[in-house]
Amino acid sequence: DIQMTQSPSTLSASVGDRVTITCRASQSISTWLAWYQQRPGKAPKLLIYKTSSLESGVPSRFSGSGSATEFTLTISSLQPDDFAIYYCQQYNGYSATFGQGTRLEI
Amino acid sequence: QVHLVESGGGVVQPGRSLRLSCAASGFTFPSYTMHWVRQSPGRGLDWVALISYDGSEKYYADSVRGRFTISRDNSKNTLFLQVNSLRIEDTAVYFCAREYERAAALDYWGQGTLVTVSS
Repeated sequence: DIQMTQSPSTLSASVGDRVTITCRASQSISTWLAWYQQRPGKAPKLLIYKTSSLESGVPSRFSGSGSATEFTLTISSLQPDDFAIYYCQQYNGYSATFGQGTRLEI
Repeated sequence: QVHLVESGGGVVQPGRSLRLSCAASGFTFPSYTMHWVRQSPGRGLDWVALISYDGSEKYYADSVRGRFTISRDNSKNTLFLQVNSLRIEDTAVYFCAREYERAAALDYWGQGTLVTVSS
């Protein structure tokens, strides 16, 4: 099974900051990497798919990059709504794995 | 718009069974691969199972293989998860989600249904 490891587990930041979350895969997943945002008590929301494609309606301050085993999610200028938990996810057509999550807090 | 509504959760004793349902609307359900993902209280997301658009292919996480069965009824736009031999560690909110075609991602999620396994 492919393991996904996110860092950091918790990230403290302020409104207006630029932040980066890293996700590492235990083996190459090409660019089949997605990022989700989850607020308390809510379902996850898709932000980015195929490493860098922005889901419709997601603000352009979110961006993704990477390939093979190392990926990043960047938020260019944090807004109050962005304080949430972020997950990366790989999917190879028959199995999916999520990272353990990164809590972005004020 | 796309809408996914899970139901069937509840409190159940270890070793018992439940059948979870996910009612889909707002899109052509028979055209999409569907997934179940769960989240234990205060924990991260765990992928559980997927089923192809026509039900011909099914895959499971190691932790549930042999105990859980995913199925679908395309005539009723409904996804199911039969959960048997429940364990304490199966306690979680169970989400159904639609696969974003050719994107290896899940683009729409339901609100989840809570399964609590307790003696």
